[in-house]
Amino acid sequence: NAGVTQTPKFRVLKTGQSMTLLCAQDMNHEYMYWYRQDPGMGLRLIHYSVGEGTTAKGEVPDGYNVSRLKKQNFLLGLESAAPSQTSVYFCASSSMETGRNQPQHFGDGTRLSIL
Amino acid sequence: GQNIDQPTEMTATEGAIVQINCTYQTSGFNGLFWYQQHAGEAPTFLSYNVLDGLEEKGRFSSFLSRSKGYSYLLLKELQMKDSASYLCAVRRYGNNRLAFGKGNQVVVIP
Repeated sequence: NAGVTQTPKFRVLKTGQSMTLLCAQDMNHEYMYWYRQDPGMGLRLIHYSVGEGTTAKGEVPDGYNVSRLKKQNFLLGLESAAPSQTSVYFCASSSMETGRNQPQHFGDGTRLSIL
Repeated sequence: GQNIDQPTEMTATEGAIVQINCTYQTSGFNGLFWYQQHAGEAPTFLSYNVLDGLEEKGRFSSFLSRSKGYSYLLLKELQMKDSASYLCAVRRYGNNRLAFGKGNQVVVIP
């Protein structure tokens, strides 16, 4: 039972380079999310999706783009990486049924360093 | 917007009880989640409250007071493996988005 899988787990980029982080979930969840986690800042929502083909901005969307072409995948793109984007990125998914048994499930994270 | 406040760090002894507090200010409250996050790992779901009162799940209990904008997570019979960060997150009506507090680091010592 894989749950939420993120690739890659680690990456080092140079300023200005681009890359895509991949998130895949096998729980048939409608909702998917991308967060970043920085020391002293907690988890902050970058972008999210409420279904295939839809995306929306979260709390800190600048410098990132996302796509949800398939229900099970949610991609996060950095077009021109900046040192301020050095962070740990978490993907999460949840059912559209809000309630006790429908928390967000998180992937193991991608540790990204921008030099 | 939402304002979620948690103390940053606490130390407790193995076998003891520790209470982690969370206060929040939000409109359209629709539930509060507690997550546990070990260093270098993903957050994992612990408990959920949407009505006032206490929810008990083994060694962990969570309490909610909606009128006070207050929740706590109670960890009993502390074990070394409970050393982790505990995250409080609030959900609002209309979507399943969560707003997270900064987390409370609990260090369990022998």
